[in-house]
Amino acid sequence: NAGVTQTPKFQVLKTGQSMTLQCAQDMNHEYMSWYRQDPGMGLRLIHYSVGAGITDQGEVPNGYNVSRSTTEDFPLRLLSAAPSQTSVYFCASSPLGTDSYEQYFGPGTRLTVT
Amino acid sequence: DQQVKQNSPSLSVQEGRISILNCDYTNSMFDYFLWYKKYPAEGPTFLISISSIKDKNEDGRFTVFLNKSAKHLSLHIVPSQPGDSAVYFCAADEGSNYQLIWGAGTKLIIKP
Repeated sequence: NAGVTQTPKFQVLKTGQSMTLQCAQDMNHEYMSWYRQDPGMGLRLIHYSVGAGITDQGEVPNGYNVSRSTTEDFPLRLLSAAPSQTSVYFCASSPLGTDSYEQYFGPGTRLTVT
Repeated sequence: DQQVKQNSPSLSVQEGRISILNCDYTNSMFDYFLWYKKYPAEGPTFLISISSIKDKNEDGRFTVFLNKSAKHLSLHIVPSQPGDSAVYFCAADEGSNYQLIWGAGTKLIIKP
C-alpha cells in the first residue's frame, strides 16, 4: 500500500494563478480531508469528504474548492492564488465507522504564492 | 479563539528521562483526543489517543492522561529516546464531527 500520496511536493505560483493539488489514497477510506499548516499554528481544516459525491467545508474554506468523484481521489483547487495561501498543505484519510478518529496523512505540498 | 492550546513551543529533555507534553482545551464538547508526531518534511503520524470516558491510555513508552475537570491532557514518554525528537501535536474531536481541532504543536528535543 502506498497510503496517502500527494503531488506535487513543491509549487510556486504567481498571484492570480490557479492550480490543483492532487491527493490519492489506496486504503479504501471513506473520509478524506485537506489541511493547511502555517508557522506557529496547528493544522487547520479546509474541506473534507465522507464519501464519493459528498464534500463539506472546514474551518478555512475560502479560496479553495474540492470535489470527490471517486473514493480514492480528493483534489484541492486554488481558483486564484493569493500570497495568504502560502502554506504547507496536507491531505489525510481515515475509515469511518470505527472507534478511532486516527487519520493517515500524506507527506504534504509546500506552496509559495508570490 | 484557540480551542486547543499547547503553551510550550519547545521542550528539551535528556535522553532516558521522562518527557511530558501538555495540552489544554476549552470546548467541553470534545470527547476524543489524539496525539500526533511530526518529523520535518513529513506528514503527521498518529501516536496515541484517548476517549473522554477514560482518564489514562498506555501504549508502550507512551501514556496519555486526561483530566476532564481541568480540561487538560498530557503525553508522557518514558524513557525518552533520540528518535522521539519531533513536533508533537494535540488534536481534539467532538465525536463523529469529522473536524479535528489542532494545537500549535510542541517541538521536543531529546539531548544525548
